[in-house]
Amino acid sequence: GDSVTQKQGQVTLSEDDFLFINCTYSTTTYPTLLWYVQYLGQGPQLLLKVTTANNKGISRGFEATYDKGTTSFHLQKASVQESDSAVYFCALVENSNNRIFFGDGTQLVVKP
Amino acid sequence: EAAVTQSPRNKVAVTGGKVTLSCNQTNNHNNMYWYRQDTGHGLRLIHYSYGAGSTEKGDIPDGYKASRPSQENFSLILELATPSQTSVYFCASGDAWGARDERLFFGHGTKLSVL
Repeated sequence: GDSVTQKQGQVTLSEDDFLFINCTYSTTTYPTLLWYVQYLGQGPQLLLKVTTANNKGISRGFEATYDKGTTSFHLQKASVQESDSAVYFCALVENSNNRIFFGDGTQLVVKP
Repeated sequence: EAAVTQSPRNKVAVTGGKVTLSCNQTNNHNNMYWYRQDTGHGLRLIHYSYGAGSTEKGDIPDGYKASRPSQENFSLILELATPSQTSVYFCASGDAWGARDERLFFGHGTKLSVL
């Protein structure tokens, strides 16, 4: 069945460090790929959508690139800030039956 | 901005008791969902609904019931609560997966502790 995999449970960085969060997916159909962010005490909210038109999604300095060959859409940011501390979820929308699959989430801690 | 409101924000229940979690959305979305979030498991879908009167089983429906009496309201019901149901529960609404807008709008969550 369809699934997404995030292997990093927690990432700890210092301000201005480069962020890379790994996410791979498995599907037999044509997916829509999303990243959600969850700040402390809140529900998840959409961060960005990766479109297959240009294979990339960009929002608030975050970027994710879709790679069909490696079935991945890793999340990156050139320079993180303390305010980026949150849990990041990758998600796959399986378009044929409208199911959405979330990864287990990656806790990002950014130290000042 | 779309709004999803959950109540209560925190709930302590006893084993074997009945628990009802409520969710209200003002987005006029057709679809609503209940997820639970546990460390190491991410977000897991319990029940969802396509509209008033409909409920569908998600990936982990056992021990839960759902009710969608209107477009705006979607409840999650634990008839006989167990400690394994201690978790944070999120309600979400959305227009249509795979269509113009794939966003789900989540509430702030309900922290449930079953003692």
